[in-house]
Amino acid sequence: NAGVTQTPKFQVLKTGQSMTLQCAQDMNHEYMSWYRQDPGMGLRLIHYSVGAGITDQGEVPNGYNVSRSTTEDFPLRLLSAAPSQTSVYFCASSRQGTSYEQYFGPGTRLTVT
Amino acid sequence: AQRVTQPEKLLSVFKGAPVELKCNYSYSGSPELFWYVQYSRQRLQLLLRHISRESIKGFTADLNKGETSFHLKKPFAQEEDSAMYYCALSGRDSSYKLIFGSGTRLLVRP
Repeated sequence: NAGVTQTPKFQVLKTGQSMTLQCAQDMNHEYMSWYRQDPGMGLRLIHYSVGAGITDQGEVPNGYNVSRSTTEDFPLRLLSAAPSQTSVYFCASSRQGTSYEQYFGPGTRLTVT
Repeated sequence: AQRVTQPEKLLSVFKGAPVELKCNYSYSGSPELFWYVQYSRQRLQLLLRHISRESIKGFTADLNKGETSFHLKKPFAQEEDSAMYYCALSGRDSSYKLIFGSGTRLLVRP
């Protein structure tokens, strides 16, 4: 199993541009999440999904959209990039239920100039 | 408010010394507590969870509900323990929504 994969690894955008960060998992996990990691702030939840067709907002959803058309994929869309969205983005997945381990992807480092 | 606090940004110890990484939480309800670790150039991974009461790589953590703490401890630090450590919590009915602390970088010197 590849686990959780993310593309691209690095991306530089100009303010106002849009793009999609890709996330896929091959573990048949119901739950998938997107976090951003900023220095001194830990990881903050952006959006999450409890299954195909179901998504909801996390702590910091503004400026981001998600969709979950399949169990495997959970793309994160930046509608109009802003310098405040410069961050490292992590996708994670886990089994349904309580206290299960979340499996993280390798991250995407995004810089918005 | 739901919050996880890790008061130390950096903890530096010598090899063989005891280690305690502090974590305090605020949560209205019964939380699940976790420690995640990120080694250099590796992805974030689960180290241990309070519900399993296990010792992983010599680390243990006890949930103290009275003090709302979940400190991570190891009696004898090793150089390979150097990493970024994150304390996290979730509600019992929402394990997919982790709330992370700001992280503590552990540096174990030879």
